[in-house]
Amino acid sequence: QKEVEQDPGPLSVPEGAIVSLNCTYSNSAFQYFMWYRQYSRKGPELLMYTYSSGNKEDGRFTAQVDKSSKYISLFIRDSQPSDSATYLCAMKKGGYNQGGKLIFGQGTELSVKP
Amino acid sequence: GAVVSQHPSWVICKSGTSVKIECRSLDFQATTMFWYRQFPKQSLMLMATSNEGSKATYEQGVEKDKFLINHASLTLSTLTVTSAHPEDSSFYICSASNSYNEQFFGPGTRLTVL
Repeated sequence: QKEVEQDPGPLSVPEGAIVSLNCTYSNSAFQYFMWYRQYSRKGPELLMYTYSSGNKEDGRFTAQVDKSSKYISLFIRDSQPSDSATYLCAMKKGGYNQGGKLIFGQGTELSVKP
Repeated sequence: GAVVSQHPSWVICKSGTSVKIECRSLDFQATTMFWYRQFPKQSLMLMATSNEGSKATYEQGVEKDKFLINHASLTLSTLTVTSAHPEDSSFYICSASNSYNEQFFGPGTRLTVL
C-alpha cells in the first residue's frame, strides 16, 4: 500500500465549476500537508500548505485536512482554463520549518474546459 | 525570490554516455537540495538528499554509483547519470531548501536516452 493515494484522473470540468481534489494517507505521523500545481513539463509550484487538521482558504483555493480520517482535500472555486494542470498532494512528518522529505501523491490531472 | 534553476532543460544522449544536470538556487543559499525523478503520469519519487559539503543520502533502490550527486556549494548541486540507458529516460527535478526548511522546486530536466 502506498503511503499517499491520489486518484490520477483525468478530471474534466466546465469553466466556473467547483473542483474537489483529494488524497488519502496511511501514516498518522504526517503533520504537514501541501498542495502543488504542476504544469506540463514544468516543476511543481506550491499552492497551499496546512498543518494538522482544519481548513485554510486562499482566494479561490481551500485546503482541508481531516486527520481522523487521514484525508485531505483541495477545493477550487470558479475554476478557470488556466487552472488546467496536474495537482499533487504532498505531506511530511514534522512542522513547516522542520526538515524531512516530502511524500507525494500520484497527482490528479485537471482540465477546465472553456 | 526563492528561484531554483536547472540546466539543461532537455537533453538527449546515446546509451552508455554520462549526463550532468545542474541545480542552482539563484537568490538564496540552500543548505539541502533534493533530487526527484518523475516518470510520465507518475508522482515525484525522491532519489536522494544532499547537504552542502557532505555525501548524499540515497533512497532505497537508487544506485549511488549510477546517480552521482555533488553539492559543492550552497547554491549548486549536480546530478550525473552515468552510463545512461533508455530506462533512465525520465523527468529529473531538483528542489532546494532554505534556512527555514522551505522547499522550492526547479523547472525540471527531461532526459531522453536513445
